[in-house]
Amino acid sequence: DIVMTQSPDSLAVSLGERATINCKSSQSVFYSSNNKNYFAWYQVKPGQPPKLLIYWASTRESGVPDRFSGSGSGTDFTLTISSLQAEDVAVYYCQQYYSIPLTFGGGTKVEIK
Amino acid sequence: QVHLVESGGGAVHPGRSLRLSCVASGFTFSRYAMHWVRQAPGKGLEWVAAIGNDGTNKYYTDSARGRFSVSRDNSRNTVYLQMNSLRAEDTAVYNCARGDIVATGPLDHWGQGTLATVSS
Repeated sequence: DIVMTQSPDSLAVSLGERATINCKSSQSVFYSSNNKNYFAWYQVKPGQPPKLLIYWASTRESGVPDRFSGSGSGTDFTLTISSLQAEDVAVYYCQQYYSIPLTFGGGTKVEIK
Repeated sequence: QVHLVESGGGAVHPGRSLRLSCVASGFTFSRYAMHWVRQAPGKGLEWVAAIGNDGTNKYYTDSARGRFSVSRDNSRNTVYLQMNSLRAEDTAVYNCARGDIVATGPLDHWGQGTLATVSS
């Protein structure tokens, strides 16, 4: 199984400041045949189901604000919230869909400082 | 728009069974793989099972294999998760999610979830 390791476990950021979350996979999730990273980011708010933010490592899902961006390739990935808003308080999860079983990171809790 | 509604959760004793259902609407159900993902209280997301668009291919996490069975009825736009020999550690909110045409794809729409509680 591919193990996904997120860091940090939690972070507190001032409104309008940048938040950065990292995720590392235990093996590459990049398919050279189609030049894609099989990697996604999700946002989970209390009492709500997960919401897909980013897929193929850097493609923003429709309707997701452009302050959210994903980067990275192979085994190292980053989610950046360029200017944190109050509504961004949530737990963020990375996920690989390169192979079954699909696996998630442990989550990063983002709060307002 | 895409809508997924789970049902079937509840409180059961260890060793008993539950059958979860997820009814889909707003898209051509038979074109997509469907997944079950759970979140135990205070824990993170855990993928449980998936089924291919035509029901032929089924996939499970190790802890579910042999006890859980995923199935679908494309005529009813419904995916099921039969959970047998339930354990306390299966206590979680179970969400169904839409995948891609193949099982290895992002999960782009999720239901609100149904809570299964396993306790003596």
